[in-house]
Amino acid sequence: GIQVEQSPPDLILQEGANSTLRCNFSDSVNNLQWFHQNPWGQLINLFYIPSGTKQNGRLSATTVATERYSLLYISSSQTTDSGVYFCAVVSKGRRALTFGSGTRLQVQP
Amino acid sequence: DTGVSQDPRHKITKRGQNVTFRCDPISEHNRLYWYRQTLGQGPEFLTYFQNEAQLEKSRLLSDRFSAERPKGSFSTLEIQRTEQGDSAMYLCASSPGGGLADTQYFGPGTRLTVL
Repeated sequence: GIQVEQSPPDLILQEGANSTLRCNFSDSVNNLQWFHQNPWGQLINLFYIPSGTKQNGRLSATTVATERYSLLYISSSQTTDSGVYFCAVVSKGRRALTFGSGTRLQVQP
Repeated sequence: DTGVSQDPRHKITKRGQNVTFRCDPISEHNRLYWYRQTLGQGPEFLTYFQNEAQLEKSRLLSDRFSAERPKGSFSTLEIQRTEQGDSAMYLCASSPGGGLADTQYFGPGTRLTVL
């Protein structure tokens, strides 16, 4: 099945810093979603982005489908951005999401 | 528009007991999914419904697991004869279906602890 790799696995930032999280996937996809998992376990949708670029406030994402990677940018980070960020894809011919192992972000005041 | 809801939020049980979880998807979402997440890992797919039909099951879904979606609305996931290895967060998601822009929305999860 499709493989999803996220980097870095852990990231510590000072409040106000910018960061880039990367997601590589091993095959063509129909769907790519970025999630933020809060400390209570809730997966919060950030972006549905199988290709192209989207922005939502301090967050933006870019997926280059032909090169099989996606990037999540966080600007002016805040302590509330802390948590685990997951990239998940749906490979062609399937419906279920395959998740990466996540990037654990800690933003310090 | 309410989100995906799951009940209970937490369940503690003894090994060998049966447990049942419920998921209510976003209204009018045709597709419903169950995932399992263990500590430090990303969620893993268990099973998927299109309306009331169970169309795909993961190899993770052993014979002790059964899922239903009667009438294509809410879904239940039952685990029989629980084992300590079943301890995990069980997540439900739904999506509207139809077309390629099929965003999945997740519920808050049910955290299962098997003693």
